[in-house]
Amino acid sequence: DSGVTQTPKHLITATGQRVTLRCSPRSGDLSVYWYQQSLDQGLQFLIQYYNGEERAKGNILERFSAQQFPDLHSELNLSSLELRDSALYFCASSATSLHSGNTIYFGEGSWLTVV
Amino acid sequence: GQQLNQSPQSMFIQEGEDVSMNCTSSSIFNTWLWYKQEPGEGPVLLIALYKAGELTSNGRLTAQFGITRKDSFLNISASIPSDVGIYFCAGARYGNKLVFGAGTILRVKS
Repeated sequence: DSGVTQTPKHLITATGQRVTLRCSPRSGDLSVYWYQQSLDQGLQFLIQYYNGEERAKGNILERFSAQQFPDLHSELNLSSLELRDSALYFCASSATSLHSGNTIYFGEGSWLTVV
Repeated sequence: GQQLNQSPQSMFIQEGEDVSMNCTSSSIFNTWLWYKQEPGEGPVLLIALYKAGELTSNGRLTAQFGITRKDSFLNISASIPSDVGIYFCAGARYGNKLVFGAGTILRVKS
């Protein structure tokens, strides 16, 4: 158990809909990262938040957004869903930013299926 | 953008054999991490490397941070059936974007 908690574990929804994925980081971790894993793209970095502020952005679509709340949990919002958005979405956390002596730990993921 | 080339893509080995996989990049990284992912689970950290030349072991696993900072390898000695999974390398420069390799699928014949 990495200490990173994600909900829901599985989600099936229709195209055009909107979903929210939730993540609770490890106790004490200030940074939260979101990754998307699909068969053809592998693990892709989406976005990172640090102590409530956006810190880094990766290959995140405009239809997607995220935020980190004062209690440090984070939500990833996916809207106008398309079939290609079906993937595993991972949340990860680290104490601060990724640097010497610091690493990130992954949750078990939220499996999104868009039909 | 930063790219990691991980090889081999897959391995099917006999139980008891040693395994070696590696990652290379055209960019310099300051951190190399190795993860294992099993079906339906998130990646689990195996080994973290923070200094060029660093050699770190975790049980039967050994990983090294290449001197050039552009590569890393992971060795698994005396493989067992529970080693089955996908192994990912990941690299980062100082900062926040962890870039992942495409993964090495390991299958073990018992």
